Amino acid sequence: GEDVEQSLFLSVREGDSSVINCTYTDSSSTYLYWYKQEPGAGLQLLTYIFSNMDMKQDQRLTVLLNKKDKHLSLRIADTQTGDSAIYFCADYGNEKLTFGTGTRLTIIP
Amino acid sequence: EAGVVQSPRYKIIEKKQPVAFWCNPISGHNTLYWYLQNLGQGPELLIRYENEEAVDDSQLPKDRFSAERLKGVDSTLKIQPAELGDSAVYLCASSIRTGEGELFFGEGSRLTVL
Repeated sequence: GEDVEQSLFLSVREGDSSVINCTYTDSSSTYLYWYKQEPGAGLQLLTYIFSNMDMKQDQRLTVLLNKKDKHLSLRIADTQTGDSAIYFCADYGNEKLTFGTGTRLTIIP
Repeated sequence: EAGVVQSPRYKIIEKKQPVAFWCNPISGHNTLYWYLQNLGQGPELLIRYENEEAVDDSQLPKDRFSAERLKGVDSTLKIQPAELGDSAVYLCASSIRTGEGELFFGEGSRLTVL
């Protein structure tokens, strides 16, 4: 089956950029997504990229996609304390959304 | 606009007891999903509904889990009997239609089985 992998933890100083990485295996992925989950809450869609694009920018968020290597990254510029959360990468293919294990982002003051 | 509403938020039961979770999706969203989220893991799909039809229930453990979506709006997920390993967060999500991954999630129902 499809597999989506992420590193579990990332710590970043406030004001620096955060880069969260993800790899996936599904060749039929049409869209790739980044979701954010704050403590005790459900997941919230942050941004997405179509599989035939290699970059998408949305305010402080930049998504990079390397389709050949099946590698996706999310860059958060000027990281703030409110960005503390778990970030999930997800790929959509064959009418199914498959989530990674999530990366817990911790902001160091 | 109201989001996806789930209840209860928390439930503690003893093993072998039944439990039910309820979900009210966003108005107009035809597709409804139930996901299981274990601690430290990403959500895993249990069942997907298109209106009142369950179109993907391949990951639902049918010996103890059941779900329904009467009238194509609200949905309930039931576990009977619950086992210790069922302790997790049960997330409901909805989307306008299938064919995309833009899902709107509820806050989840956290189940603890003792």
